[in-house]
Amino acid sequence: GAVVSQHPSWVICKSGTSVKIECRSLDFQATTMFWYRQFPKQSLMLMATSNEGSKATYEQGVEKDKFLINHASLTLSTLTVTSAHPEDSSFYICSATLAGGRIYEQYFGPGTRLTVT
Amino acid sequence: GDSVTQMEGPVTLSEEAFLTINCTYTATGYPSLFWYVQYPGEGLQLLLKATKADDKGSNKGFEATYRKETTSFHLEKGSVQVSDSAVYFCALSADDYKLSFGAGTTVTVRA
Repeated sequence: GAVVSQHPSWVICKSGTSVKIECRSLDFQATTMFWYRQFPKQSLMLMATSNEGSKATYEQGVEKDKFLINHASLTLSTLTVTSAHPEDSSFYICSATLAGGRIYEQYFGPGTRLTVT
Repeated sequence: GDSVTQMEGPVTLSEEAFLTINCTYTATGYPSLFWYVQYPGEGLQLLLKATKADDKGSNKGFEATYRKETTSFHLEKGSVQVSDSAVYFCALSADDYKLSFGAGTTVTVRA
């Protein structure tokens, strides 16, 4: 089956630094990738949707200058949290779909836990 | 906006017990409804779906029926196994553009 990986699975960084999270589709070409954020005991919240080679579309309330998304190839999308602060600490999950895939046919990565100290 | 509310966990059961996880939703129009499961260390994966009222989704012994009159999509399984221990997420999509998720319910099945 289709597999999506994320790296790193856990990262700790200091306040004011930037951190990059990678999302890779291992055995398929992902035309669309999604980034979610999840706080403890809360829902996954969609942050942005990106198509390969295009700028990401951000959900309302998500700062695009703070959460930089790059989808440069059909197998890789990156999320960079710039000038991270403790309130950015969260669980970040990516997912991907095949070309023509329905919205529910997303393949999810296992998530990355970010802790900002 | 669209939202999903599911019962808080954690839920702890013995093997062969009956499992039900309640899920209700708020949405404009007629959304499609889904249950996702996340096993330890893995990503979410689609468990079952229903796209219109009175549809019943089923997979791996789990079932859920789309109830428009009560805006619900409760997940049930008649006899759980240890391997069913996971986090279960209820979700909806009203526009085929994005998914709205519930907070997830952690289920632990003891032998």
